[in-house]
Amino acid sequence: EAGVAQSPRYKIIEKRQSVAFWCNPISGHATLYWYQQILGQGPKLLIQFQNNGVVDDSQLPKDRFSAERLKGVDSTLKIQPAKLEDSAVYLCASSLGGGGSPLHFGNGTRLTVT
Amino acid sequence: GEDVEQSLFLSVREGDSSVINCTYTDSSSTYLYWYKQEPGAGLQLLTYIFSNMDMKQDQRLTVLLNKKDKHLSLRIADTQTGDSAIYFCAESMVRDDKIIFGKGTRLHILP
Repeated sequence: EAGVAQSPRYKIIEKRQSVAFWCNPISGHATLYWYQQILGQGPKLLIQFQNNGVVDDSQLPKDRFSAERLKGVDSTLKIQPAKLEDSAVYLCASSLGGGGSPLHFGNGTRLTVT
Repeated sequence: GEDVEQSLFLSVREGDSSVINCTYTDSSSTYLYWYKQEPGAGLQLLTYIFSNMDMKQDQRLTVLLNKKDKHLSLRIADTQTGDSAIYFCAESMVRDDKIIFGKGTRLHILP
């Protein structure tokens, strides 16, 4: 079974620029998550999709971050404009959904904002 | 509120047992997880336990759950250099299927 795919692996941008990350979840996984992991911290949930609907985006800074999951499969996360404090690893995860389904993570995209 | 707490660092000699501890606050948790993160990689699910269980063993890994104290531990027997990583404790919520992570415990293996 193929795992969660993310691209790019690394991205360096200047502040106020835009950036987009892409995620392809495990086939058949209904739930998709975007997490932000700042160095030295645990992952923080940004947004959770169930199929193509948003379940939770309470921690997403909506003035600059947006995410979509068209057709309930792939997802993109965009930051526009980026700030220095957005430097982090952005992790995508997927699960079958339903209580207790473990999350399967991609390798993440490391974003550096200069 | 929802919170998962872990000590940040643990140092263990190769061949000894490692015990990583975690406390959580939400009594309605359904599952509790342990994830491992190696440098430059995503989080890898190691094991998980349903909240009505006390213990789960899987090869070198033993998970103990004390529901009364809301305390979870992960024991790694015969710790090897390949076990060097950051270990995250996480809990899932009944009400909204959300998963909350701790800040991670960095396990350092001494020769």
